[in-house]
Amino acid sequence: AQSVSQHNHHVILSEAASLELGCNYSYGGTVNLFWYVQYPGQHLQLLLKYFSGDPLVKGIKGFEAEFIKSKFSFNLRKPSVQWSDTAEYFCAVNANTGNQFYFGTGTSLTVIP
Amino acid sequence: GAGVSQSPRYKVAKRGQDVALRCDPISGHVSLFWYQQALGQGPEFLTYFQNEAQLDKSGLPSDRFFAERPEGSVSTLKIQRTQQEDSAVYLCASSLVGVGGGNTGELFFGEGSRLTVL
Repeated sequence: AQSVSQHNHHVILSEAASLELGCNYSYGGTVNLFWYVQYPGQHLQLLLKYFSGDPLVKGIKGFEAEFIKSKFSFNLRKPSVQWSDTAEYFCAVNANTGNQFYFGTGTSLTVIP
Repeated sequence: GAGVSQSPRYKVAKRGQDVALRCDPISGHVSLFWYQQALGQGPEFLTYFQNEAQLDKSGLPSDRFFAERPEGSVSTLKIQRTQQEDSAVYLCASSLVGVGGGNTGELFFGEGSRLTVL
């Protein structure tokens, strides 16, 4: 079975600080990779996804993520966070041949104004 | 509707009661997933439908859990004889395309049904 590890459980940053959230997965085959965000009181929504091609993908709200196949990683980055980025962030992996999406345990981000 | 709709949003059940949770996916979406999210954890896969066919139910934790999608749209997750460990948020997600076999797509999530078993 696949697994997804998110190393940072809670992150607190001041506005304008840079953000990097780690995500590693265990699966040797072709994968599709996702970052989802859950703002307080809202449902999970897609931030960005990687299926193939350029390993540096850009998502909504200035977020980007880089797929490094040799490290089985898909870290999320943002150069300058805003208070409105306060949310829970989930990394997810889907094996290209399978129908299950595996989620990490999530990282809670708090941005202090 | 515009998004995935789940009901009820909150359900309190006494241990041993049966519960039914409903999911209305986005119209036309082929794939439908049920996930269980315990407090402080990420969503855990329960089951997957492609249209009306339940293609994967490997995540259902016991035979007390049953899901159906008889007409390929609305789905119901039923939990019989609820136990305290069933307390969680149950998430439904849909996707426009069938998933697997080289295909994948974005999941659209509902707001979830929070089940508390006393």
